[in-house]
Amino acid sequence: AQTVTQSQPEMSVQEAETVTLSCTYDTSESNYYLFWYKQPPSRQMILVIRQEAYKQQNATENRFSVNFQKAAKSFSLKISDSQLGDTAMYFCAFMGEADKLIFGTGTRLQVFP
Amino acid sequence: DGGITQSPKYLFRKEGQNVTLSCEQNLNHDAMYWYRQDPGQGLRLIYYSQIVNDFQKGDIAEGYSVSREKKESFPLTVTSAQKNPTAFYLCASSIEETSRKFFGPGTRLTVL
Repeated sequence: AQTVTQSQPEMSVQEAETVTLSCTYDTSESNYYLFWYKQPPSRQMILVIRQEAYKQQNATENRFSVNFQKAAKSFSLKISDSQLGDTAMYFCAFMGEADKLIFGTGTRLQVFP
Repeated sequence: DGGITQSPKYLFRKEGQNVTLSCEQNLNHDAMYWYRQDPGQGLRLIYYSQIVNDFQKGDIAEGYSVSREKKESFPLTVTSAQKNPTAFYLCASSIEETSRKFFGPGTRLTVL
């Protein structure tokens, strides 16, 4: 069975600084997708970034980028130039051939002014 | 505007009662999903449906039931058999051939 592990329950960063959130996963599949979702206090789940496992190039969306290490089964999220609006829970998620999203337990990120 | 709506936002129920959570989408998505979120845990899949009149159990289906009579609608019933129903419930949908899922705003269910 696939599992997703986020080992940092809470993180904090000062505004304008860079922070990296960690995620590891376990699977025997070769074709899959990885995601980072943001859940602000409104509790709406918002897709931040998506990575396809067959693509070696790391995905980037503006200030958000990932470090995808397929052999190590690691998928970290880097947030550059942190903003107060980045304060939220961040969930790493895996989706394999069964088309079911499997989530980690989340990392609570607090951005301080 | 296209999107997913869930109602109500907050729901209270007495112990022993069944309650139905609504999920509607106008994105013309084939697949729909129900997730449960508890404090300190990630989202867990309750049920999903890839097509009208068909659905499958997820990882924590016990005590829940669903129907998919229309493409746009995927209601979730929390039955009295669910031992610990107080949680935040999220509905999602996706086009079958893509991997991106769109989430609704969620329903907070509290059992009194």
